[in-house]
Amino acid sequence: DAKTTQPPSMDCAEGRAANLPCNHSTISGNEYVYWYRQIHSQGPQYIIHGLKNNETNEMASLIITEDRKSSTLILPHATLRDTAVYYCIVREWNSGNTPLVFGKGTRLSVIA
Amino acid sequence: DTAVSQTPKYLVTQMGNDKSIKCEQNLGHDTMYWYKQDSKKFLKIMFSYNNKELIINETVPNRFSPKSPDKAHLNLHINSLELGDSAVYFCASSPRTSGGVEQFFGPGTRLTVL
Repeated sequence: DAKTTQPPSMDCAEGRAANLPCNHSTISGNEYVYWYRQIHSQGPQYIIHGLKNNETNEMASLIITEDRKSSTLILPHATLRDTAVYYCIVREWNSGNTPLVFGKGTRLSVIA
Repeated sequence: DTAVSQTPKYLVTQMGNDKSIKCEQNLGHDTMYWYKQDSKKFLKIMFSYNNKELIINETVPNRFSPKSPDKAHLNLHINSLELGDSAVYFCASSPRTSGGVEQFFGPGTRLTVL
């Protein structure tokens, strides 16, 4: 079972920042937060991951609260192509070959 | 270059038939997976192979039989297809090292059983 809770859907205006929240109140000390997204009719795509520090890459930023019980994925300038289902996943770092456990995710709709 | 490829992309067949889906990855990864996404869009793991050896087999009917002829290929054979097998099947791969940070997914195979 997924260990995370996400809102089922969100809207965002094109060009604005999309902030996608995730609750993971039972996260353990050696578990990381991973984000994936699934654009319609495609396979899931890795976005970013983090342990306790904020992370940024070319796709997004990840903000993790100090108590690590929640996090926010930020798409700084959402485009129509960012419309997708976003999945927040927690998993141990050293479980290299462990499959991902997907929850229901958040369906983000970017509106022109 | 496609990193993880699957064939066919679409598969329509009758109940009771036997069919196979093929997956190939050119990333040099050691681990490959099969996931199933049903009509409600839930994505669940079915199998995991590491270096051609089965390491995870979730509660899947034994009509489903994965086969890994080599590290780059993981095929899924399904016997006696049922209506409930209709779904999108995704293959994925990940590197053995660095905690498996990323799993790379194929484009999916949409199976429709009539």
